[in-house]
Amino acid sequence: AQRVTQPEKLLSVFKGAPVELKCNYSYSGSPELFWYVQYSRQRLQLLLRHISRESIKGFTADLNKGETSFHLKKPFAQEEDSAMYYCALSGGSTLGRLYFGRGTQLTVWP
Amino acid sequence: DVKVTQSSRYLVKRTGEKVFLECVQDMDHENMFWYRQDPGLGLRLIYFSYDVKMKEKGDIPEGYSVSREKKERFSLILESASTNQTSMYLCASSTPMELFFGEGSRLTVL
Repeated sequence: AQRVTQPEKLLSVFKGAPVELKCNYSYSGSPELFWYVQYSRQRLQLLLRHISRESIKGFTADLNKGETSFHLKKPFAQEEDSAMYYCALSGGSTLGRLYFGRGTQLTVWP
Repeated sequence: DVKVTQSSRYLVKRTGEKVFLECVQDMDHENMFWYRQDPGLGLRLIYFSYDVKMKEKGDIPEGYSVSREKKERFSLILESASTNQTSMYLCASSTPMELFFGEGSRLTVL
């Protein structure tokens, strides 16, 4: 069965500090993983997907199949990064159906 | 620009009332979804649909039903609202690689 775990409900860092939001998954097949973000009073939106191997707003995430992790990282956090972050997994043939973690609320202090 | 529109941003209903939440997308997506978003629980899938008149149960379908009479419209129905259905409801449509969310409908059941 598919499962996504985000162990940190809340995460606080100071501006300019590195930040890492953890995500672990459970899936027997070949996973597709995503990070979605929700800024205050905005709709939930895609931040990045592992298959694209891209960096968005300075964030990167590497899929580690050995550790079944997809942690989101940014070397220098900014105040505008404060938001709710959700890790999500797509598995099997059901295209578009995602399994979400419980989310991590990131606060970046000035 | 993909647009997913949820007609009601805020609703207050009484226990036992029938509630309709409407969602319209303008990108001709075949896949549409209804999620429930609760603090500490993340996003949980209620129902989804891959085509007109087609629906599948998600992880928490109890107490809900859906209707998809036209491709662009996906409605969530609470036949008899209960207080434990007080929540934020998110509609989404998708391509195989990305979910596009509406702004959400915050339902309070008194």
